[in-house]
Amino acid sequence: EPEVTQTPSHQVTQMGQEVILRCVPISNHLYFYWYRQILGQKVEFLVSFYNNEISEKSEIFDDQFSVERPDGSNFTLKIRSTKLEDSAMYFCASSRSNAGELFFGEGSRLTVL
Amino acid sequence: DQQVKQNSPSLSVQEGRISILNCDYTNSMFDYFLWYKKYPAEGPTFLISISSIKDKNEDGRFTVFLNKSAKHLSLHIVPSQPGDSAVYFCAASESAGNMLTFGGGTRLMVKP
Repeated sequence: EPEVTQTPSHQVTQMGQEVILRCVPISNHLYFYWYRQILGQKVEFLVSFYNNEISEKSEIFDDQFSVERPDGSNFTLKIRSTKLEDSAMYFCASSRSNAGELFFGEGSRLTVL
Repeated sequence: DQQVKQNSPSLSVQEGRISILNCDYTNSMFDYFLWYKKYPAEGPTFLISISSIKDKNEDGRFTVFLNKSAKHLSLHIVPSQPGDSAVYFCAASESAGNMLTFGGGTRLMVKP
């Protein structure tokens, strides 16, 4: 069964460092998303991406964040200068349409020290 | 931001009995609702959804009920199995797209 895959599964970084989280969405999906879950809190929407551009983003997704689809398969989330409060589980998701269910990856745990 | 709320952080049910998980929402613009299941160290897995034009959707052991006037939905699992033990998230979106707003989750424990 096709699935969304994410790397790395866990990354530890120093505050102020750049981090790139990688995702390979399901191959015939057209819509891509990043969500995050801070420990003990809700899963929160960060950004959606379609047709090589951001279609929606939340208040969390400030100038420190960026997304890219550098080739036909990868979808990346970059955090330019990490802060302690960026520590969270980051989930990538994809969907075939903008009216159907999202399929989530297993998440990348980011720990900022 | 409490647009989607799951008031019960945990629920314990005996195997074979019915599990009922509840979710309330405040945003009247939501018109598509989903339930996700999450095991530790895994991403959320889609379970079942319902659009606002329906009040019930059934898929095997899982049924979702939507009461638009009360802004309430529930997930029924019957019969419950130990493998159903997980955290269940309710999520909602507006028709404009797939920006999901999640509830805080309910941890279901099904005892053998």
